[in-house]
Amino acid sequence: DGGITQSPKYLFRKEGQNVTLSCEQNLNHDAMYWYRQDPGQGLRLIYYSQIVNDFQKGDIAEGYSVSREKKESFPLTVTSAQKNPTAFYLCASSKPRGMNTEAFFGQGTRLTVV
Amino acid sequence: RKEVEQDPGPFNVPEGATVAFNCTYSNSASQSFFWYRQDCRKEPKLLMSVYSSGNEDGRFTAQLNRASQYISLLIRDSKLSDSATYLCVVSRQNTGNQFYFGTGTSLTVIP
Repeated sequence: DGGITQSPKYLFRKEGQNVTLSCEQNLNHDAMYWYRQDPGQGLRLIYYSQIVNDFQKGDIAEGYSVSREKKESFPLTVTSAQKNPTAFYLCASSKPRGMNTEAFFGQGTRLTVV
Repeated sequence: RKEVEQDPGPFNVPEGATVAFNCTYSNSASQSFFWYRQDCRKEPKLLMSVYSSGNEDGRFTAQLNRASQYISLLIRDSKLSDSATYLCVVSRQNTGNQFYFGTGTSLTVIP
């Protein structure tokens, strides 16, 4: 079955540590996205990538980094520079162009700083 | 001004009721429109795309008014399983097909 896989589902990080969240898709989608969701709030865009080896900052990129070395993979690193990293992180993918091209989401990674 | 605005609710309705959610978007260049459903602590899932002519899927009807930049979702004969948060989403190609999410409207269907 095609889909998006995020891992791990739950992640605990000590203050000052970098952690990397995995996102893999086998939908053959060119575009991939990372969002952050805080309790009771909407999704905020961290980074997005329209094509391999290219990515753009979203609205809240500070303290995060990404890479897009393969079409299938778009890992997100939460660095120690991110002051409030505890949140629900969602990865999504879509076809890059065209009308009514929806976003498909992974099951999310819940990150907690301890 | 936010790209997408929704009434956060919560909406608490009895089983069998009809409930309507509204959403407005700020950028007239928006081209694609969607309603997503998000269950507690889960990822959003596409409920339905919204077409200019309006569209229906079973108990769900979506409408788009481009002139007013307004999207609606109507749920008829509410079921307990409809309890969730409903997200209004728009996208446009001039920003690389980014998606813009409303904060969501919470629905609880009461027995």
